[in-house]
Amino acid sequence: DAGVIQSPRHEVTEMGQEVTLRCKPISGHDYLFWYRQTMMRGLELLIYFNNNVPIDDSGMPEDRFSAKMPNASFSTLKIQPSEPRDSAVYFCASSMGQGRYGYTFGSGTRLTVV
Amino acid sequence: GQNIDQPTEMTATEGAIVQINCTYQTSGFNGLFWYQQHAGEAPTFLSYNVLDGLEEKGRFSSFLSRSKGYSYLLLKELQMKDSASYLCAVRNQAGTALIFGKGTTLSVSS
Repeated sequence: DAGVIQSPRHEVTEMGQEVTLRCKPISGHDYLFWYRQTMMRGLELLIYFNNNVPIDDSGMPEDRFSAKMPNASFSTLKIQPSEPRDSAVYFCASSMGQGRYGYTFGSGTRLTVV
Repeated sequence: GQNIDQPTEMTATEGAIVQINCTYQTSGFNGLFWYQQHAGEAPTFLSYNVLDGLEEKGRFSSFLSRSKGYSYLLLKELQMKDSASYLCAVRNQAGTALIFGKGTTLSVSS
């Protein structure tokens, strides 16, 4: 399996622009998670899905952030409009159930908003 | 509220043993995980504890005390490649997502 695939790996955008991050989970995994990592705040949960249904979005910072999972093999995280404080590494992770083997993370998208 | 505490940084020398501690206060408990993250890379799964006691896996071991809200990761025979950030994560209820600590950056020198 190719693992969790995220695109793009790096994104530099100007403040106010729309940014869309993409994730393809491991085939057969029924949970998908979006996390954001910064030096100050560490790894923070933004939202997660189970069988394509959003379960908990309480970590989404504000209305500028939205996430969708239209099918079992694809998810997007959108920021509109983007702000400099959104600069971070965004990780997507997936898992089969919520058992002892934890999550498999993608390589992440490093977002810089200037 | 929920809180997971780890030391920010630790240093050690090759061949030594190091213990990274993690304390947590969460609304419930349904498992504790340790992840390793090399600079610029994704976190990778190391270990899982749900019952009290020690879980051993090669050079790495993880311990849990649920009554104390405490875990540690023990790394033996340290190698340079063990230089990384080590993240403690807790699942507070079945079916919910992991909550991560800020991580401990371990530097191994020769």
